[in-house]
Amino acid sequence: DTAVSQTPKYLVTQMGNDKSIKCEQNLGHDTMYWYKQDSKKFLKIMFSYNNKELIINETVPNRFSPKSPDKAHLNLHINSLELGDSAVYFCASSLSGRQETQYFGPGTRLLVL
Amino acid sequence: AQSVSQHNHHVILSEAASLELGCNYSYGGTVNLFWYVQYPGQHLQLLLKYFSGDPLVKGIKGFEAEFIKSKFSFNLRKPSVQWSDTAEYFCAVNAEGDMRFGAGTRLTVKP
Repeated sequence: DTAVSQTPKYLVTQMGNDKSIKCEQNLGHDTMYWYKQDSKKFLKIMFSYNNKELIINETVPNRFSPKSPDKAHLNLHINSLELGDSAVYFCASSLSGRQETQYFGPGTRLLVL
Repeated sequence: AQSVSQHNHHVILSEAASLELGCNYSYGGTVNLFWYVQYPGQHLQLLLKYFSGDPLVKGIKGFEAEFIKSKFSFNLRKPSVQWSDTAEYFCAVNAEGDMRFGAGTRLTVKP
């Protein structure tokens, strides 16, 4: 059983396109996250979201927007893709609360040409 | 804002060598501490975590970590590494609901 799943696994696209990455968790968690991992393996949080609050890392361009149709899903939509958006994007989920462990999805490798 | 530092960027060891990866954080309040591992081509998996109690925490695959509050450190250790431990290791700190990851340490274990 997959706990946190992401689709697609790989995404190759042209600059300027709009794309979405989907994330689903079946753990009953109420908080979901998006992280960006660059080529140097540095992991940076982009968003955290639960049904009460969206917290955005202020360094994330507004071309990136999370969309949550329900508690089990948090999709990442990216407008006007740029070369620098190439990275691996990880979705994660947890129960709300400081002591809760985050569980990660398998990642989506995005390559912008 | 809090930060997490992993001083070793790349560590290369031979099998059976002992491992210690450093992690320091900057936050004066109560924190929860994690070590995650990322095997080549895979997602992050939790190795171990510290919330409270015994500062020496044991995790999966023979890993352990010690929380030293006075040093703001949470170093990861393993007495004898294996080739299969080759991976990227991330320290993470959750303070007041704000989760931050270190830059990661790449461990290469030579057979």
